[in-house]
Amino acid sequence: AQSVTQLGSHVSVSEGALVLLRCNYSSSVPPYLFWYVQYPNQGLQLLLKYTSAATLVKGINGFEAEFKKSETSFHLTKPSAHMSDAAEYFCAVSRIIQGAQKLVFGQGTRLTINP
Amino acid sequence: DTGVSQDPRHKITKRGQNVTFRCDPISEHNRLYWYRQTLGQGPEFLTYFQNEAQLEKSRLLSDRFSAERPKGSFSTLEIQRTEQGDSAMYLCASSLWESETQYFGPGTRLLVL
Repeated sequence: AQSVTQLGSHVSVSEGALVLLRCNYSSSVPPYLFWYVQYPNQGLQLLLKYTSAATLVKGINGFEAEFKKSETSFHLTKPSAHMSDAAEYFCAVSRIIQGAQKLVFGQGTRLTINP
Repeated sequence: DTGVSQDPRHKITKRGQNVTFRCDPISEHNRLYWYRQTLGQGPEFLTYFQNEAQLEKSRLLSDRFSAERPKGSFSTLEIQRTEQGDSAMYLCASSLWESETQYFGPGTRLLVL
């Protein structure tokens, strides 16, 4: 069964510093992997996705993630944090059910940006 | 493309009451998903529709929960005899046929007193 583990429920960085949010997955088949962001009292917005094409995936708002099969990881990075990046971030793996993609989410990482 | 919409955004109810939530997917998205998110957790899959057919239900969806998508467009999620443990954010998402990308609505936050 597919699963996702996000290392660190809270991450705090200074404005302008590197952002690194960790995600490890478990999947018996080549996975589709996703990062979503959730701002307070809002739904989830897709940041980026890996679908077995390029292993380095670029997303919105300057975020990118690298798929590393040998490490079963899909860590999210951003070179320079901005105050507007403060939010909850979720890593997800998808499992196909009758042709559709059921998402299995990690527990989330709350990112705080210090001025 | 106006995005996925959900109504209401917030609902406060007393234990034992019935509640119904509505989700309007992006037009022409034939797949619709419901997820539940409790405080401090990631969303958990509840159920999935392809057009009007409900194709899978999670074991999280007890007999008190029912979901419909009668014309393959909007969907409703009803909870009967609500319990305090039902307090959560209920998220709806939609996608196109054979697309791996799901687009989420803003959610309905339910509080059962």
